[in-house]
Amino acid sequence: SFDLTQPPSVSVSPGQTARITCSGDALSKQYAHWYQQRPGQAPILIIYKDTERPSGIPERFSGSSSGTTVTLTISGVQAEDEADYYCQSADGFNTYVFGTGTKVTVL
Amino acid sequence: QLQLVESGGGVVQAGKSLRLSCAASGFTFSDFGMFWVRQAPGKELEWVALISYDGIKEFYADSVKGRFTISRDNSRNTLHLQMDSLRPDDTAVYYCAKQHSSAGALDHWGQGTLVTVSS
Repeated sequence: SFDLTQPPSVSVSPGQTARITCSGDALSKQYAHWYQQRPGQAPILIIYKDTERPSGIPERFSGSSSGTTVTLTISGVQAEDEADYYCQSADGFNTYVFGTGTKVTVL
Repeated sequence: QLQLVESGGGVVQAGKSLRLSCAASGFTFSDFGMFWVRQAPGKELEWVALISYDGIKEFYADSVKGRFTISRDNSRNTLHLQMDSLRPDDTAVYYCAKQHSSAGALDHWGQGTLVTVSS
């Protein structure tokens, strides 16, 4: 198995930009995906294949990748973006892993 | 509208078994791989199992291998998770999720069902 490491928390003021990193050796070869989970709710896919955004996801959510680190960027953060965010990847042998999760707090 | 609805959760004693189900609607169930993912109280998401679209291939996390079995009935659009030899650390909300068509992402999730294993 492999690990994906995220910062435990990120705080940001409304209208500012939040960046959440996810690091792991597997990310140099495998795609990463991102999920938003609001309290008491199921996760929602917000970015897939490092940079793609599913239909219905606001444009302020974007993803990027460099080496063994992927980054989720939330531009113009809104109060409703306060949630836990998880990265996820696979090792190419059908073993899947989620990151440690990042709590985004909107100040 | 795509919908995934889990059922079968509850309180069970350690060492016992439980079977979860996930009813799928709003998409061609037999075309997609399906996942089970769990989340212990206050903890991160943990991948549990994956089954291929045709039910031929199954993959498991090491933490459940040999104890849990994923299966599907494409004629009834239903996914199952048979959980045997349950342990207190299996306590979690269990989600079923649909595999994305072109990536190893989980693009739709159910609302989850809570499994509590008492010691």
